[in-house]
Amino acid sequence: QFQLVESGGGVVQPGRSLRLSCAASDFSFKYYVMHWVRQAPGKGLEWVAVTTYDGAKNYYADSVKGRFTISRDNSKNTLYLQMKSLRPEDTAFYYCARDSGAGAFESWGQGTLVTVSS
Amino acid sequence: HSALTQPASVSGSLGQSITISCNGINSDVGDYNYVSWYQQYPGKAPKLIIYDVTHRPSGVSNRFSGSKSGNTASLTISGLQTEDEADYYCSLYTSTNKIFGGGTKLTVL
Repeated sequence: QFQLVESGGGVVQPGRSLRLSCAASDFSFKYYVMHWVRQAPGKGLEWVAVTTYDGAKNYYADSVKGRFTISRDNSKNTLYLQMKSLRPEDTAFYYCARDSGAGAFESWGQGTLVTVSS
Repeated sequence: HSALTQPASVSGSLGQSITISCNGINSDVGDYNYVSWYQQYPGKAPKLIIYDVTHRPSGVSNRFSGSKSGNTASLTISGLQTEDEADYYCSLYTSTNKIFGGGTKLTVL
């Protein structure tokens, strides 16, 4: 059974940066579109960003555009989310998710918690 | 696309059927619109249970079914079981945006 394992979360001060990673295993990572989705504690899901198979095209939610960068290293089977100028409202569990190819998030990692607080 | 609206909570008795609605599924000309549904237990990651409006991934119980009429998508759970008690989210996936509904907490009585 394939896995997605996020890491890199933690407590960070407002305005600082953080990079999340998502390690993929037991599937052909390079053939899949990948997403980041977040969920503030006790709140609903919010799509954050998507990257194409080769990382050539990336799209972002308006709430993070210009501050977050999604990327991937297919040689390492790893997805990244570089977050800059963090705000308290960015506090959330961050999940990486594999795209189904039919407009759905078919598999999710266990999530990593980012807390933005002074 | 505007926000997707779900009821905050629904409840049903064991063995009964319930339906969760998701309003705001607007179709754009020339765009694709995929509707999916997710189940989430407290402290766990979401799980895909319906994709492309009506399709179930392998391993998902056939007690879960999806439909769409006009601007409203619906998730129906038949023969309610205690393990169905969870949060449920709808999602609309287009070429330009991916949005989730606010979520519905299902209580099994």
